[in-house]
Amino acid sequence: KNEVEQSPQNLTAQEGEFITINCSYSVGISALHWLQQHPGGGIVSLFMLSSGKKKHGRLIATINIQEKHSSLHITASHPRDSAVYICAVRGDTGTASKLTFGTGTRLQVTL
Amino acid sequence: EAQVTQNPRYLITVTGKKLTVTCSQNMNHEYMSWYRQDPGLGLRQIYYSMNVEVTDKGDVPEGYKVSRKEKRNFPLILESPSPNQTSLYFCASSPRGDTQYFGPGTRLTVL
Repeated sequence: KNEVEQSPQNLTAQEGEFITINCSYSVGISALHWLQQHPGGGIVSLFMLSSGKKKHGRLIATINIQEKHSSLHITASHPRDSAVYICAVRGDTGTASKLTFGTGTRLQVTL
Repeated sequence: EAQVTQNPRYLITVTGKKLTVTCSQNMNHEYMSWYRQDPGLGLRQIYYSMNVEVTDKGDVPEGYKVSRKEKRNFPLILESPSPNQTSLYFCASSPRGDTQYFGPGTRLTVL
């Protein structure tokens, strides 16, 4: 079993739909990251959170430390949101730079 | 412009021919990392560095070397590349091991 599991693996939505991507992890963490990988391959960091909720534009990330679960929500989805969304966790032991990644959720938003 | 650069972006080489992929950041970040991305396996950390002359192994360090002689540079060295090192490689930097800034990626093919 992977330390970081994402669901769903693939997601197709119509423009305007509300989207939720889930991330579950099995280890103690100090922080969780959400990343976006564009179709061209570039990776952008969306959020880093260790508790609660963060919002940036139409994107909202939440984390429940007790349940070892995080969600990424996209409101009013748009075709430009089509990308792979990756969850990564930083463990709470050892060094701060060690990240473990989920395998990603491929999102396609159609008109 | 704040950025992480990698060179080369694309490389086709043969088994056993030593190569270096360079990574440079202009943000004065202390932390730098190397990742590889493979279909079905996602991103995996190869090596990371918390400061000049301080490096440590990630999850998949076998077959790779790194050095951090200057804060801005973190080259990845493959002394004797093999076909199983064919992958997409990303370098990233961060101020304190938190938000990651990724380079554009290097697609390596080892024949």
